[in-house]
Amino acid sequence: GENVEQHPSTLSVQEGDSAVIKCTYSDSASNYFPWYKQELGKGPQLIIDIRSNVGEKKDQRIAVTLNKTAKHFSLHITETQPEDSAVYFCAASEVGTGFQKLVFGTGTRLLVSP
Amino acid sequence: DVKVTQSSRYLVKRTGEKVFLECVQDMDHENMFWYRQDPGLGLRLIYFSYDVKMKEKGDIPEGYSVSREKKERFSLILESASTNQTSMYLCASQGGSMNTEAFFGQGTRLTVV
Repeated sequence: GENVEQHPSTLSVQEGDSAVIKCTYSDSASNYFPWYKQELGKGPQLIIDIRSNVGEKKDQRIAVTLNKTAKHFSLHITETQPEDSAVYFCAASEVGTGFQKLVFGTGTRLLVSP
Repeated sequence: DVKVTQSSRYLVKRTGEKVFLECVQDMDHENMFWYRQDPGLGLRLIYFSYDVKMKEKGDIPEGYSVSREKKERFSLILESASTNQTSMYLCASQGGSMNTEAFFGQGTRLTVV
């Protein structure tokens, strides 16, 4: 089955810096890679996703890149703000061949200091 | 807005008790999931369901069962609670097919003493 590894487990940055979180996956059949943000006391919420037919996707200050050959994908947050502080999870799944379930990474706790 | 509601935010139960965690979604989603979240281990799938009365084991089903009698409701059952089941439990729903976004509830923090 699919296995997703995520690094680093914790990341501290100063406000305005960039943050990068990296994930690797094992199953070459996976074709959908979402990122979820979990704020304190809440459930995870989708912030951006990418499918295997594209290499990069941006949404304002966040972007995700995908390298299918190397089986890794990354979340990039630019101009970080204190409200970006949260736990971020990457995930992978195979969409389009029946039921698909997400396999999550272990999470990255991002702390943005003012 | 999609809403996934878990019946309790915090629960304290005794070892050996039968525990029910309830989850309700209001978007007519086919798929529902139960995860547990532990520090350093991420989100691990316990059980999932892709239709009423249908259920499948996830990665860590031991000690748990589920029930889905109605499309909007998915219950997680701890048959005999143990201290190693102390954790945060998250329910999620998903539309199915190509509708890929999963919507999570706020979580239930269960402590077994």
